[in-house]
Amino acid sequence: KNQVEQSPQSLIILEGKNCTLQCNYTVSPFSNLRWYKQDTGRGPVSLTIMTFSENTKSNGRYTATLDADTKQSSLHITASQLSDSASYICVVSLNQAGTALIFGKGTTLSVSS
Amino acid sequence: EAQVTQNPRYLITVTGKKLTVTCSQNMNHEYMSWYRQDPGLGLRQIYYSMNVEVTDKGDVPEGYKVSRKEKRNFPLILESPSPNQTSLYFCASSSPGLAGSSYNEQFFGPGTRLTVL
Repeated sequence: KNQVEQSPQSLIILEGKNCTLQCNYTVSPFSNLRWYKQDTGRGPVSLTIMTFSENTKSNGRYTATLDADTKQSSLHITASQLSDSASYICVVSLNQAGTALIFGKGTTLSVSS
Repeated sequence: EAQVTQNPRYLITVTGKKLTVTCSQNMNHEYMSWYRQDPGLGLRQIYYSMNVEVTDKGDVPEGYKVSRKEKRNFPLILESPSPNQTSLYFCASSSPGLAGSSYNEQFFGPGTRLTVL
């Protein structure tokens, strides 16, 4: 069964600190892995997309890694800001078109001052 | 501004009263999808469309209908809504990847919060 598991389920950190969110997947066939940021009540916004041949990709203070051998990905947030408070969703796509997506349940990050 | 729009953003209705949630994108994207998001379950795909007049079921299509008569619009229809369809709904669109690209990016709408009493 295709699954995407994220940990932790929730996380609270102080502003300015770094954090790392984890994603493990058992999905076949694998096309690419995506990280989305979703603010409360808003639509998800893409942070990074990686194919199996890419093992790291950055978007500002967000850096995603992918280990296709162990089927693990992580999202590292550097120097967190209050605006980073959101849900972060790991998604694996079964095809290039992105019409077959397996969503993780997300990690809820709260950044406090 | 490139975007996906949904209407209405909030809707409270009663069981059995037909409703339509509209979705429109201005990016000339071929692919469009509908998702629902429920606490503890994450996002689940309802229907998707590869192009005009081409639609297919996602993971949770029961109780929903869609149509794709124009490239930019992809309405979601609930013929006889029930309380278990109370959820947050998202429309998304994407296009085939650029030449040499191995993926395409999905753009999500702002969401429609539906409550069925």
